Amino acid sequence: AQSVTQPDIHITVSEGASLELRCNYSYGATPYLFWYVQSPGQGLQLLLKYFSGDTLVQGIKGFEAEFKRSQSSFNLRKPSVHWSDAAEYFCAVGGGNTGTASKLTFGTGTRLQVTL
Amino acid sequence: DAGVTQSPTHLIKTRGQQVTLRCSPKSGHDTVSWYQQALGQGPQFIFQYYEEEERQRGNFPDRFSGHQFPNYSSELNVNALLLGDSALYLCASSHRTEQYFGPGTRLTVT
Repeated sequence: AQSVTQPDIHITVSEGASLELRCNYSYGATPYLFWYVQSPGQGLQLLLKYFSGDTLVQGIKGFEAEFKRSQSSFNLRKPSVHWSDAAEYFCAVGGGNTGTASKLTFGTGTRLQVTL
Repeated sequence: DAGVTQSPTHLIKTRGQQVTLRCSPKSGHDTVSWYQQALGQGPQFIFQYYEEEERQRGNFPDRFSGHQFPNYSSELNVNALLLGDSALYLCASSHRTEQYFGPGTRLTVT
């Protein structure tokens, strides 16, 4: 069974500081990996995705993530956080065997607070 | 491009009632997935529709059912509502790869 673990429930960083959100996954085959962001009361916005190839992927809003197969991790990073980045961040894993968007399994999320 | 749209935005129902939620996918997308997000949790997969058939299903009881129409829009039906069904219901559409989410429908069961 596929699963995602986000060890940090809540993280607080100062504006301008760097950020790393952790994600560990369990999946039997080659995973499709995603990071989504959710503002309060809103739906999910896709930040970035990994399907194959280069293990460092770039996303929107200056975010990047690195896929490390040996560690089963897909951590999200940003070099300089902005106050508008405060939100809930979800890591998700999905199957990629058929090349289609199979069901996603999400972690429990990390709430990011940004102090000015 | 309108993106994924869902209706209604909010609704309140009583235990035992039935509810129907609606989703219109992003233009060009043929697959619709439904997720339930309880307060403080990550979304949980309910089921996915493709070519008007349920293709995958998560661990949800038969009270949860769905439908996809020829124009790819979809409905989620929940019968015999329980208090525990209170959640944000998210619809996601896709074509082959990543899923794009709508704003969700907030269901409150009293």
